[in-house]
Amino acid sequence: QSVLTQPPSASGTPGQRVTISCSGSSSNIGSNYVYWYQQLPGTAPKLLIYRNYQRPSGVPDRFSGSKSGTSASLAISGLRSEDEADYHCATWDDSLSGWVFGGGTKLTVL
Amino acid sequence: QVQLQESGPGLVKPSETLSLTCTVSGGSISSFFWSWIRQPPGKGLEFIGYIYYSGSTTYNPSLKSRVTISVDTSKSQFSLRLSSVTAADTAVYYCARVELGIPRTSAFDIWGQGTVVTISS
Repeated sequence: QSVLTQPPSASGTPGQRVTISCSGSSSNIGSNYVYWYQQLPGTAPKLLIYRNYQRPSGVPDRFSGSKSGTSASLAISGLRSEDEADYHCATWDDSLSGWVFGGGTKLTVL
Repeated sequence: QVQLQESGPGLVKPSETLSLTCTVSGGSISSFFWSWIRQPPGKGLEFIGYIYYSGSTTYNPSLKSRVTISVDTSKSQFSLRLSSVTAADTAVYYCARVELGIPRTSAFDIWGQGTVVTISS
């Protein structure tokens, strides 16, 4: 059972906009930055969004992150087939003094 | 650019100790925190612990009694030992770099490719 709650799956057609939610509590998302990682099939996770909404160099602006209270969202616009992957949210938890993750959301591009 | 590579046995017997090493290349191990993260089959990621290049550590409370993370700056390596393993410890184990000097406000910006460890007799 993961500390952060994500839907197990999401889907969309090419060109659509999809959002993936991540729910936590006051000790984690409510008081810390949220990070998103993209994990393509058979590969290691890759940093996609850091400190709530910032994108590392090379990440397309089709990917955006937001946070409100104890929840966060990842939005992907102009969906492409290569976006098919698992998406993981993460944050620091003050009670645990360490990072916690969501269970991951498998995105399917129909 | 900085690259991380995990190494170690892919099969460990129940009740024994899992030992993995992460080698840092293309950059310095100094001035960074380094972490171990695992992913059981079909499940999400789990933070195991992290170590500063100076040797100070922080562990996930759920694993703390069984985990030891150490660093060897002369070899640009850091290591994971997990004792008394069971089938529940079967996972892909990743090493990763913490991007900044303050873990609480930092991401894992560089990851190793991961290594599969199976716990079975």
